[in-house]
Amino acid sequence: AQKVTQAQTEISVVEKEDVTLDCVYETRDTTYYLFWYKQPPSGELVFLIRRNSFDEQNEISGRYSWNFQKSTSSFNFTITASQVVDSAVYFCALRTHNQGGKLIFGQGTELSVKP
Amino acid sequence: DTAVSQTPKYLVTQMGNDKSIKCEQNLGHDTMYWYKQDSKKFLKIMFSYNNKELIINETVPNRFSPKSPDKAHLNLHINSLELGDSAVYFCASSPRTSAAYEQYFGPGTRLTVT
Repeated sequence: AQKVTQAQTEISVVEKEDVTLDCVYETRDTTYYLFWYKQPPSGELVFLIRRNSFDEQNEISGRYSWNFQKSTSSFNFTITASQVVDSAVYFCALRTHNQGGKLIFGQGTELSVKP
Repeated sequence: DTAVSQTPKYLVTQMGNDKSIKCEQNLGHDTMYWYKQDSKKFLKIMFSYNNKELIINETVPNRFSPKSPDKAHLNLHINSLELGDSAVYFCASSPRTSAAYEQYFGPGTRLTVT
């Protein structure tokens, strides 16, 4: 079965703190893709990153970084020097070839960054 | 310039009514999806179409019927609306069904059934 778990339901930090959002996935497929999406208070879903199962290189994009570890089936997301505009719900998702391309989402982590 | 658009953005209706939500994408993608986000923010796939052909039909009540007149449009019709249908419905598209592609989401339609 395919499953994504985001154990942190809510996280609250003060601006400029670093914060890591955890994501653990389950799949028996050897080829799969992991995604992070951001849902700000305005409600739209914004694509942040895609990572395939053969690429375990960590990725950095500005204040955002992602740590993919197949050994622990985790794909964690770190925001460095958080800002109020980072307040949102963040979703981790999994996609495999044999599921018709559907995204399987985690429960989401609501991040609140306070000034 | 909107990539994936949905209408309406808000929909308030009474139980028992029939309503439709429209989705259009101008990205030239082959595959379109409907997702439902419940009150706890959980997102779940409902349907997927590839080039007007239904490829995913999750365990969704028969009252929900998707229609894809062409590959740029995927509409969702809901009969006999129930209180439990209240949710945000997102349309999405991707270039292919392949898992390698990200999905681009529309702004969502907030459906409230009273």
